[in-house]
Order: sequence, then C-alpha cells, then structure tokens
Amino acid sequence: DQQVKQNSPSLSVQEGRISILNCDYTNSMFDYFLWYKKYPAEGPTFLISISSIKDKNEDGRFTVFLNKSAKHLSLHIVPSQPGDSAVYFCAARGFSGSARQLTFGSGTQLTVLP
Amino acid sequence: EAQVTQNPRYLITVTGKKLTVTCSQNMNHEYMSWYRQDPGLGLRQIYYSMNVEVTDKGDVPEGYKVSRKEKRNFPLILESPSPNQTSLYFCASSRRYAKEETQYFGPGTRLLVL
Repeated sequence: DQQVKQNSPSLSVQEGRISILNCDYTNSMFDYFLWYKKYPAEGPTFLISISSIKDKNEDGRFTVFLNKSAKHLSLHIVPSQPGDSAVYFCAARGFSGSARQLTFGSGTQLTVLP
Repeated sequence: EAQVTQNPRYLITVTGKKLTVTCSQNMNHEYMSWYRQDPGLGLRQIYYSMNVEVTDKGDVPEGYKVSRKEKRNFPLILESPSPNQTSLYFCASSRRYAKEETQYFGPGTRLLVL
C-alpha cells in the first residue's frame, strides 16, 4: 500500500512552457513534503519542500503547492529548461516512534524538449 | 566538498556470497539511511541510524544488516544475497534535527545478484 503516489511515470514538455508534476498521499500525519530531482548515475538531490501548515512555497522557477484537503501536492516549473530533464521524486515526512522517515513516490521522468 | 560516498558503484555477485557496501559522509551528520530503488516503487528505506550505535529497521529490512560504529560510516551488509536484492542502492545522511529534512544522497550502488 503506497502512501505516496506519483501516477504519471513520464511527462514531456516543450522548452519555455510550464511543467506540472503531481503527487498524492494518504497519510494525514505527514508534516513535511519534499521534491527531489535525480539525474542518471547520480543520487537524488533536494529541490524544494513545503510544510504541511503552508499551501505554497516558491524558489525561483520552482513552486510547490499543497492541497491538504485533497491530500495532493504539485511541483510547477516555469519556464521549463532542457536541463530540468530528470526523474522527480515526491517525498513525505512522517514519524516512526521518535525517528523521522521519508516515504517516496515512484518518480516521474520529466523530459523537456528543446 | 560536502558529500556522501559509496563503494563500490557497481557490483555483480552470486547468490549467497556475503558482500558489504560502504557509505561515508563528511558533514558530521547524525542521521544516516539506506534506500533501495526499484522500478515503479521509488525509494524504499532499508535501515536508518539516528547516531552512533543506534540503528533501526526501515520498510524493507529483510536480508540486510547495518552497523554504525563511527559517525561518518554506515555500511550495508548482505550476509547471503539473493536475486531479489538486485537493485540500485542509495545511502543518505542529514542533520538529525534538520527542519526541512534535507537528506544528502550518495551516487548509488548498482547491485546484480546472479
């Protein structure tokens, strides 16, 4: 039973347009949500995060939106660039006892076409 | 340069032959973790450690062992590897009380068990 789901395995977008990556979760106890980006042959790198008490966080071209009632978050990339082509993982933070745990989605492969 | 290193990067082995994947970080992080990435399943946590001599199971610990004798090192041990442990493995670290859970990932170890 996946608590964090990314239902789109892949997404193609034209350079300069907006990329929207989606993520759904089931556990209402998650308190932080994060996006990681992963290039081939490299480890994931942190991109942007949002606290569960907020509904929007922006960092340059990247904006994350959180809709708690729908248990849904999305990552917007505007404008999209070819260098943004990567796998994007959504992750949610919960607690197991006193330890923090990140639960990851299955990832979305974003391809930005020049 | 702040980094998490893993060795080896690629490994082919046979069923039952014990192996160790090393992980080291130079950021003085308390928290370290191991994940495996499989197609369609994202990253799943194997084990984590909140500090020296403190380790605990993640979501998929069966068939793995870890140890944390020093703060910087967190090796992953497969005592008797099986083909279902063929996967891409990532080590990660973070400050224990980091507000935004910015985990730093190693480059990954691709393991094939024949």
